[in-house]
Amino acid sequence: LAKTTQPISMDSYEGQEVNITCSHNNIATNDYITWYQQFPSQGPRFIIQGYKTKVTNEVASLFIPADRKSSTLSLPRVSLSDTAVYYCLVGDIEIGGNNRKLIWGLGTSLAVNP
Amino acid sequence: NAGVTQTPKFRILKIGQSMTLQCTQDMNHNYMYWYRQDPGMGLKLIYYSVGAGITDKGEVPNGYNVSRSTTEDFPLRLELAAPSQTSVYFCASSGIGQGTGNTIYFGEGSWLTVV
Repeated sequence: LAKTTQPISMDSYEGQEVNITCSHNNIATNDYITWYQQFPSQGPRFIIQGYKTKVTNEVASLFIPADRKSSTLSLPRVSLSDTAVYYCLVGDIEIGGNNRKLIWGLGTSLAVNP
Repeated sequence: NAGVTQTPKFRILKIGQSMTLQCTQDMNHNYMYWYRQDPGMGLKLIYYSVGAGITDKGEVPNGYNVSRSTTEDFPLRLELAAPSQTSVYFCASSGIGQGTGNTIYFGEGSWLTVV
């Protein structure tokens, strides 16, 4: 399984764009990149998923370079409510059930300040 | 649509006691999981199930047991509780679709303290 590395913590201010980069140098051909968000005292929540190039939804954008050895989660104009831990996960989830093989690291603790 | 529901939310156990954490999902998902999360740490997989009647160990199964008699329910049994089992427990489920069809849906967590 591809090991991921992401910053332990980040600070930002309301209204700014936040970019969290995740390194996954040994990503496999069949691996997807998935990001989850976890608020204090809650379970993680799916944010976005991608395989290559760029993916955008109503919450975030995910940028993946051609070599796929890293990815960047972009949160536009963050608010205080975006304060959470963000997890980058890499794994072959094309086949149902491979979620059990995902490795949950420490994530990136994002603090949004007023 | 309630998603994944787990109970109880909070529980204090004495060393050596046993208890069952209940989990049910209403999304007709084949896959269900139990994770534990210690303070400031990532999730660790305890047990998982790929369907009714089928369960298997995850990364940290010792001290726990599970069963999956129906698609909806996946209870986690703690036998002979120990202080090392003090943690937050999350039940989760996912479908068998491709790509985002495998999104994991989590319950709100159960805070367990063993004293």
